[in-house]
Amino acid sequence: AAGVIQSPRHLIKEKRETATLKCYPIPRHDTVYWYQQGPGQDPQFLISFYEKMQSDKGSIPDRFSAQQFSDYHSELNMSSLELGDSALYFCASSLGTGPHEQYFGPGTRLTVT
Amino acid sequence: AQSVSQHNHHVILSEAASLELGCNYSYGGTVNLFWYVQYPGQHLQLLLKYFSGDPLVKGIKGFEAEFIKSKFSFNLRKPSVQWSDTAEYFCAVNLGTGGFKTIFGAGTRLFVKA
Repeated sequence: AAGVIQSPRHLIKEKRETATLKCYPIPRHDTVYWYQQGPGQDPQFLISFYEKMQSDKGSIPDRFSAQQFSDYHSELNMSSLELGDSALYFCASSLGTGPHEQYFGPGTRLTVT
Repeated sequence: AQSVSQHNHHVILSEAASLELGCNYSYGGTVNLFWYVQYPGQHLQLLLKYFSGDPLVKGIKGFEAEFIKSKFSFNLRKPSVQWSDTAEYFCAVNLGTGGFKTIFGAGTRLFVKA
């Protein structure tokens, strides 16, 4: 069965650079979620989109922005990167019309040097 | 603020021992409850979920969990663990009917000795 695809899987950036992470949900899923998981920490909810509109917002820094496109894929844009942004960024998708069982992607490991 | 508490951060068991991982949440409204597992180097996978109905839910790999509404708890159990159950386990709560935000607990790292 198709799963959530994230690209790239690994990304190394320097401080103050920008990064774009991409997420391709499971086919027919209309909701995308972004999470940040720091080393040894639990996933922190950043933001979610349902039918291309932002549906909920968590602890996403102002330096980050995200959107969901017409094909339901989503991109997380991160600017002015800081060392503390180094983390595993998970994307999850679900069908937004009922209880939200989320299917997670493999994550993008971002390292800021 | 809503929160999810997992009582044990690290658990070490021998194979065939019984497992119970505690999870409590603080939210008075309708919730959907999940347990996710993260094996070393892998992404989060759903173990089981509770939306409504029978409060005792069974998931994959012999895991089960019981929702006790009066205690705001959703504890995970397995009668006999295996070495392959070594992983990190996260309890998660999705808030309300139609709510998108999901809050994760801090996770419990389980190590099963062969």
